[in-house]
Amino acid sequence: GESVGLHLPTLSVQEGDNSIINCAYSNSASDYFIWYKQESGKGPQFIIDIRSNMDKRQGQRVTVLLNKTVKHLSLQIAATQPGDSAVYFCTFSGGYNKLIFGAGTRLAVHP
Amino acid sequence: GAVVSQHPSRVICKSGTSVKIECRSLDFQATTMFWYRQFPKQSLMLMATSNEGSKATYEQGVEKDKFLINHASLTLSTLTVTSAHPEDSSFYICSATRTGRGQETQYFGPGTRLLVL
Repeated sequence: GESVGLHLPTLSVQEGDNSIINCAYSNSASDYFIWYKQESGKGPQFIIDIRSNMDKRQGQRVTVLLNKTVKHLSLQIAATQPGDSAVYFCTFSGGYNKLIFGAGTRLAVHP
Repeated sequence: GAVVSQHPSRVICKSGTSVKIECRSLDFQATTMFWYRQFPKQSLMLMATSNEGSKATYEQGVEKDKFLINHASLTLSTLTVTSAHPEDSSFYICSATRTGRGQETQYFGPGTRLLVL
């Protein structure tokens, strides 16, 4: 069946360090992946996406890497800031524009 | 950027009453909207797909008679929790699909916190 899982439920980093959040998926037919950020009490916010015909995509301070061979996705945040503290969700399209959400990783940034 | 709003942001109601939550796409038209539910410290769970001009499609295990969805226009979908009970207390989030540049992107609303007493 379809699933998206996460290796680490909580990640604590020092301000200024780089953060890496990992995600594993099981459906080899998945062709579109999206990372969302959710702050407490708010809706998810789009961060970056990647299609299966790519293995890397960069945004502002964020990079998403896709390894289709091992069905692994990661989100890298450079120079992590306190404002990056949130829960991050890896998702993929489940057909008909549906999004399948993983369990989420909480990122805690310490000064 | 695309903006999706929800109203109300939080609501407290008595058990047995019905609550309506609105989801609006403010600067784009959305033929498809989605409704999610999120319990504390858990992920978002898709409840249903709201289609403008047609019936909603519910996910397995979601009672369509309890969670009524109406997608009356290209910018508005409503979710009505009928005969709410304490176990319906949750964070309800909608999203709207915006089509552009050959791709479709979901934009999420800020969520509605429902507390049923």
